[in-house]
Amino acid sequence: QVQLVQSGAEVKKPGASVKVSCKASGYIFNNYYMVWVRQAPGQGLEWMGKVNPTGDNKVYAQKVQGRVTMTTDASTSTVYMELSSLRYDDTAVYYCARVGVVGTNDYFDFWGQGTLVTVSS
Amino acid sequence: DIQMTQSPSSLSASVGDRVTITCRASQRMSSFLNWYQQKPGKAPKLLIYAASNLQSGVPSRFSGSGSGTDFTLTISSLQPEDFATYYCQQSYRTPYTFGQGTKLEI
Repeated sequence: QVQLVQSGAEVKKPGASVKVSCKASGYIFNNYYMVWVRQAPGQGLEWMGKVNPTGDNKVYAQKVQGRVTMTTDASTSTVYMELSSLRYDDTAVYYCARVGVVGTNDYFDFWGQGTLVTVSS
Repeated sequence: DIQMTQSPSSLSASVGDRVTITCRASQRMSSFLNWYQQKPGKAPKLLIYAASNLQSGVPSRFSGSGSGTDFTLTISSLQPEDFATYYCQQSYRTPYTFGQGTKLEI
C-alpha cells in the first residue's frame, strides 16, 4: 500500500532553516511528482510547490520562492523540503502528498502524516 | 493567482441530510478541480478529482459536479463520520490554490 512517512516535529528559531523529509513506499517512486502543502494553526491549506522524482523539475509558489528548496533521493524514495530564513508565520504543519494525474489535472491522492514546524525564539 | 471561494464557510446539518458545498473560481478552469476532506489532526483525504471523479474507496454518497468557474460537492445522506472540513483545490494553473474550507458540523 502507498505510504508517505514524514520526519518528526521541529522547533526552530527565527532566521534558521528546517529540512523535512518524506519517505515513499508502496509504489514506483519514479512515476510520480510530489507536492508540499502547509497548514498554519487553525488555517487552511497552502500549496508550496511540486517536484518531479528526479528533482530536476520544480515549481515553487511565489510566496516561498527564494526560501524553499525541494529535492529528491530516488535511491531511498525520499523527498525533502528545506525552508530557510524562517519567520514566525512559517509555523505550520507541513505535508507531502503524491501527485496523481488525469489528463493534465493534478490531484493529491496520498498524503504524509504531517510535520509540525514551530518557529519560536 | 486563481482565487477559490467556498460557500458556506460553515454548515450545520444532521445525519441523513443532503448537503451541498459550492466552490467558485476567479477564472474559468474547465474541470481542473479536486475536493478533499480533513478531520482534526489528520492529513487531508482526496474525495473527488477532475470535478466529478470519485476517488477509489470513497463512498458513493459523495459526488462532484461543475465546470468552468462553478463547482459543487454533494453528500447525499450525511453519516456521522462525514463531519469534517472540506476543501476545493484547483490544478488549472500554478500556484495551485485551495478554497478557504467549509466546516461541516452537527
